[in-house]
Amino acid sequence: GAVVSQHPSWVICKSGTSVKIECRSLDFQATTMFWYRQFPKQSLMLMATSNEGSKATYEQGVEKDKFLINHASLTLSTLTVTSAHPEDSSFYICSVLGHRNTEAFFGQGTRLTVV
Amino acid sequence: GQNIDQPTEMTATEGAIVQINCTYQTSGFNGLFWYQQHAGEAPTFLSYNVLDGLEEKGRFSSFLSRSKGYSYLLLKELQMKDSASYLCAVSGQAGTALIFGKGTTLSVSS
Repeated sequence: GAVVSQHPSWVICKSGTSVKIECRSLDFQATTMFWYRQFPKQSLMLMATSNEGSKATYEQGVEKDKFLINHASLTLSTLTVTSAHPEDSSFYICSVLGHRNTEAFFGQGTRLTVV
Repeated sequence: GQNIDQPTEMTATEGAIVQINCTYQTSGFNGLFWYQQHAGEAPTFLSYNVLDGLEEKGRFSSFLSRSKGYSYLLLKELQMKDSASYLCAVSGQAGTALIFGKGTTLSVSS
């Protein structure tokens, strides 16, 4: 399976600031990575599909100008939450597909708290 | 549209058997997954079904019926550590993101 590393595992930031979350595929090249968000006691909701070398594809209702995604290399995708507000506090998690292109492997997740 | 349904909560006792059901309606189908997730942690892979039938892996088994849009996860010899959320997820098409159900929170008591 794929090894995915996500950093940081938790972050607390002030309202109005920006936070960058990194997702690295450690053992294989991932042309596509996915970003999910999970609110307490809810399931994972797909936010966007990150494509290496091109623009991300955002799900309906997700503001692309607020959640900036950059996938500049085959092993790294970043999610930047801009001008964060308390309602952005959530668990953000990235995933990549394995070699069979079906099973998803997840990073450790990032717990974001905006105060 | 895409819809994945599973019960919100279930309870069981140690040593028992529990079955968590999942029904799905998706625009395509390339396999169904079950993941386990403990609070505050990333999901961990449990099982994958793409053909009809039962897949057994130790204490965990998963069943799929594509014609009925139905799957279940069977957990045997329950242990306290099995208390977690169990997520049913569908791959609609190879190369695309998994779509998750809302998860079933299982509480195992002694």
